[in-house]
Amino acid sequence: EPEVTQTPSHQVTQMGQEVILRCVPISNHLYFYWYRQILGQKVEFLVSFYNNEISEKSEIFDDQFSVERPDGSNFTLKIRSTKLEDSAMYFCASGDRWETQYFGPGTRLLVL
Amino acid sequence: DQQVKQNSPSLSVQEGRISILNCDYTNSMFDYFLWYKKYPAEGPTFLISISSIKDKNEDGRFTVFLNKSAKHLSLHIVPSQPGDSAVYFCAASVLGDYKLSFGAGTTVTVRA
Repeated sequence: EPEVTQTPSHQVTQMGQEVILRCVPISNHLYFYWYRQILGQKVEFLVSFYNNEISEKSEIFDDQFSVERPDGSNFTLKIRSTKLEDSAMYFCASGDRWETQYFGPGTRLLVL
Repeated sequence: DQQVKQNSPSLSVQEGRISILNCDYTNSMFDYFLWYKKYPAEGPTFLISISSIKDKNEDGRFTVFLNKSAKHLSLHIVPSQPGDSAVYFCAASVLGDYKLSFGAGTTVTVRA
């Protein structure tokens, strides 16, 4: 069964450094998403991407964040200058319809 | 974001019995509701969904019930199995909104 994959599974970085989280969505999907879950908190929406552009973003998704689909298969989330509070589990999701989203296993980001 | 609430943080059930998980929402614009299951160190796995035009959807051992007037939905798992032990998230979305709003999750433990 096709699945969303994410790399790396864990990332440790210093505050102020840039990180790029990578995702390979399910191949025929058209809708792409990033969510995050801070330890002990809810899963929170960050951004959605459709037709090569951002379709919606949350207030969390400020200028420090960007997304890109550099080729036909990858979908990346970049955090330009990480802060301590960016430490979280980051989930990529994709869907072939707007209403159903399939999640990857997540990247655990730790900012020191 | 308090639009989706799961008021029971945990549920313990005997193997073979029914598990009932509850979810309440406040946003009357929600059109679509989903249940996800999550094991530790994995991403949420889609289980079952329901559109706001229906009041019940069944898939094998899983049934979701929607009561729009009460803004309440529930997930029934019958019979419960040890492999069902996980965190279950309720999520909701609005037509045309490219994001899911999640509840805090309910941890289900199925006792042998």
